[in-house]
Amino acid sequence: GQQLNQSPQSMFIQEGEDVSMNCTSSSIFNTWLWYKQDPGEGPVLLIALYKAGELTSNGRLTAQFGITRKDSFLNISASIPSDVGIYFCAGQGGTSYGKLTFGQGTILTVHP
Amino acid sequence: ETGVTQSPTHLIKTRGQQVTLRCSSQSGHNTVSWYQQALGQGPQFIFQYYREEENGRGNFPPRFSGLQFPNYSSELNVNALELDDSALYLCASSLVGEEKLFFGSGTQLSVL
Repeated sequence: GQQLNQSPQSMFIQEGEDVSMNCTSSSIFNTWLWYKQDPGEGPVLLIALYKAGELTSNGRLTAQFGITRKDSFLNISASIPSDVGIYFCAGQGGTSYGKLTFGQGTILTVHP
Repeated sequence: ETGVTQSPTHLIKTRGQQVTLRCSSQSGHNTVSWYQQALGQGPQFIFQYYREEENGRGNFPPRFSGLQFPNYSSELNVNALELDDSALYLCASSLVGEEKLFFGSGTQLSVL
């Protein structure tokens, strides 16, 4: 089955620093999504990407759909304490709408 | 606009018992997907329901079953609970054909 490898597994950064994380797949995806999950909550959608090479921003967040369709990247600029949480990439392939394959998550800690 | 709501928030069961989890879709959404999230992992797709029928299933045994009702709310039923079924169960709703899923806060199930 499809596997997603997300890295890094965890990050400890200072407030104000920029953050980069990425996700790679053994298979091609048609859509890439990035979610953030806080403790005790469900994942919240941050950004959705639909075309290879697409670059999309949402405030301080920028994500890219890789040219090969097998990877995606998320950048957070000028991090703030409320950015703390777990970030997940997710891919959707074929016509299996609703079936997302998730990465293992990146745990982000921001020190004030 | 009402978001995805799940009940109960927490549940404790013993091995061999049966459990029913409930989900109300975000208003306007007609598709419901269920995911299992083990501690420290990304969510894993269980199945999706559209027009009250199962519309795709992940690698989960038949003792995991579901229902979707005419008002698009949904239930997840798990029979013969096993210790490994302990996890956060997430419900997500969407429009049919849409890749963007919107998650509820989940039901934390503990099997003792």
